[in-house]
Amino acid sequence: DGGITQSPKYLFRKEGQNVTLSCEQNLNHDAMYWYRQDPGQGLRLIYYSQIVNDFQKGDIAEGYSVSREKKESFPLTVTSAQKNPTAFYLCASSLTILAGGRGQNEQFFGPGTRLTVL
Amino acid sequence: GESVGLHLPTLSVQEGDNSIINCAYSNSASDYFIWYKQESGKGPQFIIDIRSNMDKRQGQRVTVLLNKTVKHLSLQIAATQPGDSAVYFCAENYNAGNMLTFGGGTRLMVKP
Repeated sequence: DGGITQSPKYLFRKEGQNVTLSCEQNLNHDAMYWYRQDPGQGLRLIYYSQIVNDFQKGDIAEGYSVSREKKESFPLTVTSAQKNPTAFYLCASSLTILAGGRGQNEQFFGPGTRLTVL
Repeated sequence: GESVGLHLPTLSVQEGDNSIINCAYSNSASDYFIWYKQESGKGPQFIIDIRSNMDKRQGQRVTVLLNKTVKHLSLQIAATQPGDSAVYFCAENYNAGNMLTFGGGTRLMVKP
């Protein structure tokens, strides 16, 4: 059963603590993404990775960190430097660019993790 | 700022009626567009996509129209059902990678 999974579904954190959100995919996708969604808002890109051992900052990377040691996994750490971390976090994956042409652009999303800072 | 201009209005329709959700984009270089549906507390789900060499694409009960002249995208849902109630996002791609820029979403409410 192929797909993209995120865990946990709900996460509570005390102020000043770091917390890591998990994202795993078995779709054999090269590219993975992390988005943040606030209530009534669209998606804002935090970090993305086009290939293993490489990742780039998105629009709102401050206070977050990522790693991409395996193709299947792209964990996101919300650090204490993130001033307003309470949000819904979405992970996505997609096929990457094919040599000499365009790749598949559709991004497949996980079910999300709702992070609440107490 | 975001190149896809879709604020979060609410569209309320009667069950069985057709729904039209609109999206304006500002980047004329965009060549690929996607509509996603997001139910409460869940991740977005792909509905339909369209490339810029097309004006219209149909799926099951859904149609996407692309007007490149005025940079406008719309999603039409035929015979709207209660299960269609969700937030709908359009997204565009305008570079050589797989980066998508998302609009703010429209909430569709279906009245029984």
